[in-house]
Amino acid sequence: GAVVSQHPSWVICKSGTSVKIECRSLDFQATTMFWYRQFPKQSLMLMATSNEGSKATYEQGVEKDKFLINHASLTLSTLTVTSAHPEDSSFYICRAGGDGYTFGSGTRLTVV
Amino acid sequence: GIQVEQSPPDLILQEGANSTLRCNFSDSVNNLQWFHQNPWGQLINLFYIPSGTKQNGRLSATTVATERYSLLYISSSQTTDSGVYFCAVGNTPLVFGKGTRLSVIA
Repeated sequence: GAVVSQHPSWVICKSGTSVKIECRSLDFQATTMFWYRQFPKQSLMLMATSNEGSKATYEQGVEKDKFLINHASLTLSTLTVTSAHPEDSSFYICRAGGDGYTFGSGTRLTVV
Repeated sequence: GIQVEQSPPDLILQEGANSTLRCNFSDSVNNLQWFHQNPWGQLINLFYIPSGTKQNGRLSATTVATERYSLLYISSSQTTDSGVYFCAVGNTPLVFGKGTRLSVIA
């Protein structure tokens, strides 16, 4: 079946630094990538949608200059959290879509 | 946009008990899925069920699309069933409810 590899699984970074999260579709072409964020004990909220080769579309309230999304190929999309702060600590998960849709395994980010 | 409400928000069960989780949605949908999020955050797809009834082992789900609700049944619960159960509707994008946090105690 369709597999999406998401890395890293968890990361701890210092406040002010940037962190890159990768999602790779291993056996299918992901024309669309959805990025979700989940704060502790809360639901998954859509952050942005990207189509390969196009700029991402961000949901209301999500800072596009802070959460940089790159979807330059059909098998790789990245989310970079720039100048991370403790309030960015969260669980980030991607959902890749081609013919069907598959979630990555998620990344737990802790900013200290 | 579409609204998804889940109940109850929290549930504690004795091992072996049965339970029913409910998902109400505000508009007609062509996609409804139930997920189990394990303690490590992984989302396990349980059912794709825009309408009708499906069963998989101790789990079953029913969606009544005309009345805009879906039910997830867990029978003979086990401690490994603990976690958060999400209902999600739509497709692009998928909209999640707030989840039901289930704790099964031995």
